[in-house]
Amino acid sequence: KNEVEQSPQNLTAQEGEFITINCSYSVGISALHWLQQHPGGGIVSLFMLSSGKKKHGRLIATINIQEKHSSLHITASHPRDSAVYICAVRRSYNTDKLIFGTGTRLQVFP
Amino acid sequence: KAGVTQTPRYLIKTRGQQVTLSCSPISGHRSVSWYQQTPGQGLQFLFEYFSETQRNKGNFPGRFSGRQFSNSRSEMNVSTLELGDSALYLCASSLGAFSYNEQFFGPGTRLTVL
Repeated sequence: KNEVEQSPQNLTAQEGEFITINCSYSVGISALHWLQQHPGGGIVSLFMLSSGKKKHGRLIATINIQEKHSSLHITASHPRDSAVYICAVRRSYNTDKLIFGTGTRLQVFP
Repeated sequence: KAGVTQTPRYLIKTRGQQVTLSCSPISGHRSVSWYQQTPGQGLQFLFEYFSETQRNKGNFPGRFSGRQFSNSRSEMNVSTLELGDSALYLCASSLGAFSYNEQFFGPGTRLTVL
């Protein structure tokens, strides 16, 4: 079993819909990252969380440390949100290298 | 500020050759990390450098090595290339100690091994 699991793997939506991507992890962590990767490969860091909730524009990220779960929400989705969204966790013991989920491919249609 | 730059952007090599990839971090950033991304394995951590010292290393064979220079620029080297080394290699820089800082990713170097 992967230490970081994301769901769903693929997601399609109509423009304007509310979107939720989930991330569950099985290790103790010091931080959780949400990343966005567009076709062509470039990765953008969206959020780094260790507790609670963060909001940036139409994006909201939450984390529940006790349940080892995080969600990324996109409100009023737009075709330009189409990308792969990747959850990554930083372990809180031994070494603090990042462990990545397999990503969620989101397509938003006009 | 200029972002993270990686050179070259594309590279084609044959099995058995070696390759060196370069990463220039954002000015003032002292930490550089390298990642490999393949369709089968996804993103995997290779290594991290901070102030010219390797802080962490992923589970890759010794053919993969790296270094960081005093100006924070970093190189990674892969010797005796194998077909399975074909991947997108990404580097990311951050301001300070890796764990507690946001990372900024470069565009990647796409390596094809024939």
